[in-house]
Amino acid sequence: AQKITQTQPGMFVQEKEAVTLDCTYDTSDPSYGLFWYKQPSSGEMIFLIYQGSYDQQNATEGRYSLNFQKARKSANLVISASQLGDSAMYFCAMREGYNFNKFYFGSGTKLNVKP
Amino acid sequence: EAQVTQNPRYLITVTGKKLTVTCSQNMNHEYMSWYRQDPGLGLRQIYYSMNVEVTDKGDVPEGYKVSRKEKRNFPLILESPSPNQTSLYFCASSQIRGTGANVLTFGAGSRLTVL
Repeated sequence: AQKITQTQPGMFVQEKEAVTLDCTYDTSDPSYGLFWYKQPSSGEMIFLIYQGSYDQQNATEGRYSLNFQKARKSANLVISASQLGDSAMYFCAMREGYNFNKFYFGSGTKLNVKP
Repeated sequence: EAQVTQNPRYLITVTGKKLTVTCSQNMNHEYMSWYRQDPGLGLRQIYYSMNVEVTDKGDVPEGYKVSRKEKRNFPLILESPSPNQTSLYFCASSQIRGTGANVLTFGAGSRLTVL
């Protein structure tokens, strides 16, 4: 089974609107971490936000927030007030277990922000 | 500047010709890992290392070797490259935090083509 599933290969959003990128994960380990990374067309991987499995509050970092629904095993990324510079590929990732060793990435969502 | 440096950034080679992609980090991170990125598949972990002389397989280790003789360096070796190893490769490093928030810092990527 896929550890990380991103079901939206591509999405469009109007500039200044909010957008939600979906991510579901699969693990039976009680300890895990969830990450979102952004990959612009230039290719580098940029860390956006982190949520630990024991964190009570949803993580927020500026315009990024993570909608963490543990029972549903979902970790959706919400970008508020989209900007043209948000156009990029977005990857959801999971670090599973206490050993901090294996990371799993989803297949990504290509976000296009329209002016 | 804190960074992960990969070389070469671009390489075209032929089947069977051994090659090494170097990776070096200047952040004194314990954890280092290699990933390959293929369209529609996201990033998949090849190998990882928790510290010097400690390495282990990720999800797609076949056809690759690694070594960790020094903390800062983690080279990826393709002993006999094949066309199915044509891909974009990323090296990443992280501190190992007790909280689990071990954010990966990525290199710029190495685009490898095997003819």
